[in-house]
Amino acid sequence: AQSVTQLDSHVSVSEGTPVLLRCNYSSSYSPSLFWYVQHPNKGLQLLLKYTSAATLVKGINGFEAEFKKSETSFHLTKPSAHMSDAAEYFCVVRSGSARQLTFGSGTQLTVLP
Amino acid sequence: ETGVTQSPTHLIKTRGQQVTLRCSSQSGHNTVSWYQQALGQGPQFIFQYYREEENGRGNFPPRFSGLQFPNYSSELNVNALELDDSALYLCASSPSEYEKLFFGSGTQLSVL
Repeated sequence: AQSVTQLDSHVSVSEGTPVLLRCNYSSSYSPSLFWYVQHPNKGLQLLLKYTSAATLVKGINGFEAEFKKSETSFHLTKPSAHMSDAAEYFCVVRSGSARQLTFGSGTQLTVLP
Repeated sequence: ETGVTQSPTHLIKTRGQQVTLRCSSQSGHNTVSWYQQALGQGPQFIFQYYREEENGRGNFPPRFSGLQFPNYSSELNVNALELDDSALYLCASSPSEYEKLFFGSGTQLSVL
């Protein structure tokens, strides 16, 4: 079984300040973990993925995430928010060889000028 | 751009009707998955097709069915539409089963 909990449904930051989007996961097997971003009227875009290599994963647009097995967490961070980062973010898990991705309920990121 | 196109972008149906949603994947992508995203929720896995055979299914009833064609196009069919079927339906393709998924922009289905 696999599941994802995104701890914040909405996060609001000022432009230029750090971003932290929190995610906890549950997985019966070694998980693959992903962060996707969804802009209005656009398809889901992969930001980064963890697949049992380095625990600190760097993605596109300055985002990174750290896999912490002891805490079953995979939080997404960015040092400095940009207006274009405003979007819905989804934490996603795939357990072992499962074919399906399980999405969290999403975090809406608002970036204030 | 992901190279995955879905049609139509919006659709309105009435309860009890049938609907077909279409997806065109990138050339060479032999795996396609369909997801349902209800308002305010994350996408939920419906099923996956690999080389024209269904090889994975989520918790959806049999009235949700699909087809995948050799030309990298696919369909999602939903029979006996219910009000709760109103959602954004996303198609995603990949070169093989466990590689990166490329998502389309979705079809917004409204059931009245």
